[in-house]
Amino acid sequence: DAGVIQSPRHEVTEMGQEVTLRCKPISGHNSLFWYRQTMMRGLELLIYFNNNVPIDDSGMPEDRFSAKMPNASFSTLKIQPSEPRDSAVYFCASSLGSFQETQYFGPGTRLLVL
Amino acid sequence: DQQVKQNSPSLSVQEGRISILNCDYTNSMFDYFLWYKKYPAEGPTFLISISSIKDKNEDGRFTVFLNKSAKHLSLHIVPSQPGDSAVYFCAVNGGAQKLVFGQGTRLTINP
Repeated sequence: DAGVIQSPRHEVTEMGQEVTLRCKPISGHNSLFWYRQTMMRGLELLIYFNNNVPIDDSGMPEDRFSAKMPNASFSTLKIQPSEPRDSAVYFCASSLGSFQETQYFGPGTRLLVL
Repeated sequence: DQQVKQNSPSLSVQEGRISILNCDYTNSMFDYFLWYKKYPAEGPTFLISISSIKDKNEDGRFTVFLNKSAKHLSLHIVPSQPGDSAVYFCAVNGGAQKLVFGQGTRLTINP
């Protein structure tokens, strides 16, 4: 199994630009999670989907952030416009979708906004 | 307010000795606890978990202890090996499938 796939692995952009992060979950997994890791806040959940439907987006920092899951094998996290404080590592994870199911993380996208 | 706290940012242990990583949580309603391990440039990987109905769970060299009255969780690694050098995150299930993570502890195993 290929595991969770994220692209790009690294992204450098300028303030004000749109950034799109992509995730392909493990085949057969029903839940998908987007996390952000920063030095200040650690690893925090931004949003998660179950069966392609957003369930909880209370961690999304502000309206500049949006996430979609158009089908079971693809999700995007978009930041528009990006700001320097968005610089972080963004992880996608997936699971089988039940309580206590293990979440499997992708390798992350390291985002730097200049 | 941090619901999950790992007060030691780093820990250094001699190879072959015991590593003990600690975690405190604030909400007594939490009922499922996990440890994840993270190597540089990789995503976190699940290590071990424990339900609130237990006070200990063991998997090979890894044992997690839960003290509900103290709202404290610990991970013991015995014996410690160089490959155990990583960042360890404690996490709690904060409802449905939401995981709330601690800040992490960087463990270094010295040969």
